[in-house]
Amino acid sequence: KQEVTQIPAALSVPEGENLVLNCSFTDSAIYNLQWFRQDPGKGLTSLLLIQSSQREQTSGRLNASLDKSSGRSTLYIAASQPGDSATYLCAVKAGGTSYGKLTFGQGTILTVHP
Amino acid sequence: NAGVMQNPRHLVRRRGQEARLRCSPMKGHSHVYWYRQLPEEGLKFMVYLQKENIIDESGMPKERFSAEFPKEGPSILRIQQVVRGDSAAYFCASSFKEEQFFGPGTRLTVL
Repeated sequence: KQEVTQIPAALSVPEGENLVLNCSFTDSAIYNLQWFRQDPGKGLTSLLLIQSSQREQTSGRLNASLDKSSGRSTLYIAASQPGDSATYLCAVKAGGTSYGKLTFGQGTILTVHP
Repeated sequence: NAGVMQNPRHLVRRRGQEARLRCSPMKGHSHVYWYRQLPEEGLKFMVYLQKENIIDESGMPKERFSAEFPKEGPSILRIQQVVRGDSAAYFCASSFKEEQFFGPGTRLTVL
């Protein structure tokens, strides 16, 4: 059974800092990994999707890396801003098919203070 | 292209009543997923459907819960005889290929 763990559970940083969020998964046979952002009381916004054959993906100030063999992914946020405050979720899809359920971590609650 | 739409956004039911949650996928998407987020817990998969077919219902409670995705119209998640423990946010996602796009969720409160 796939299990996804995110560390830290919560993170508070001053504006402008670079930061790293960690995600680990127990079964390395994944199809892809997605990072999402969830604002309080809202839905999920997809940030980055990394295929199992890829090592990293970048979008603006966000960079996500994937080490499938060790079961780890990191989300790097450069020059953090108060608007980045949200819960960040990591989710993996099992290998073998492009469709199917996502298994989520518990999330990292990020607070960026001015 | 409108995103995934869910309604109602908030739903209040008394114990024993039925709850019907609707999800309209993005245009062109034929794959729908339902997830539940209980208070202080992460998102958990419930069911995966394609048009008129349930593909994976491994996350659905055995009783009181059902889902459908008819040929025409939205996907429906139905909860019969709701209990307080059903209070949660229910999210729908749709996909065309591998990336899933999520709706804003329905927040169900059972009194």
